[in-house]
Amino acid sequence: QSVLTQPPSVSAAPGQKVTISCSGSSSNIGNNYVSWYQQLPGTAPKLLIYDNNKRPSGIPDRFSGSKSGTSATLGITGLQTGDEADYYCGTWDSSLSWVFGGGTKLTVL
Amino acid sequence: QITLKESGPTLVKPTQTLTLTCTFSGFSLSTSGVGVGWIRQPPGKALEWLALIYWDDDKRYSPSLKSRLTITKDTSKNQVVLTMTNMDPVDTATYYCAHRPRSPNRMHNWFDPWGQGTLVTVSS
Repeated sequence: QSVLTQPPSVSAAPGQKVTISCSGSSSNIGNNYVSWYQQLPGTAPKLLIYDNNKRPSGIPDRFSGSKSGTSATLGITGLQTGDEADYYCGTWDSSLSWVFGGGTKLTVL
Repeated sequence: QITLKESGPTLVKPTQTLTLTCTFSGFSLSTSGVGVGWIRQPPGKALEWLALIYWDDDKRYSPSLKSRLTITKDTSKNQVVLTMTNMDPVDTATYYCAHRPRSPNRMHNWFDPWGQGTLVTVSS
C-alpha cells in the first residue's frame, strides 16, 4: 500500500490527452515538491517532471505537471504509442523519507 | 554527462547480507547539495525507495527497512554502497541507484538520472 495514491491504469487514443493523478497528504505532497518518472517496458525509470512542474532538458512540452493542495497531476498531450509506460509520482514525506506512488500503466489504444 | 551503474551479486541465499555498489561518473559526492539514492522494484511491482546519502554524509532510510539497511560513500572512488541484512525471497527485485541533483534543502529531492539496475534474486 503506497503512501501516494495513483490510478492503476489509464488509457487514451493516439493524439489525445491523458492525465494521471497522485494523491497524498499534508505530510508529503502538501508541503513538498513532486516529481514524475516514466518507466518504459524493461528499462530504468526516467525523470519527466521535477519541482511540481519543471521539465528537464530533452523532455518535450507534451508532458506537464501541476500540484494543488495534497494532489499532483501529470498531463500528457498528443499521445504517442511510444508513451506507453508506467508512470510514478514521488515526493518527500515528513517521516524523513522519500515515497513513490503505486504507479500508473498508460495504454495508448 | 552523469552515469551510474549498479553492481553486486545476482543471487543471494535467505538470511545472507546483500552488498551492492553504485559506481558513478560526471559528478562528485563531495559537491555541496548532491546525493545518491537507492530504489528497488520487485518484478511486476512498484518502485520502493530504500535510502539516500547526501554530500555531507547525512543519511536517510526507509522507515520500514531502516533496521536492515546501511548506506555509505567512498568519495575518492565515486562509489556508494548499500548493504541489506537478513535477505528474504520477498527482497527479490531490481535495485537501482540514482543521482540526487544539487539542492541545499534536504527535503528538496528528485532523482535524475538512474542507473540501469541490477536484478537480485533471493533463493536457496
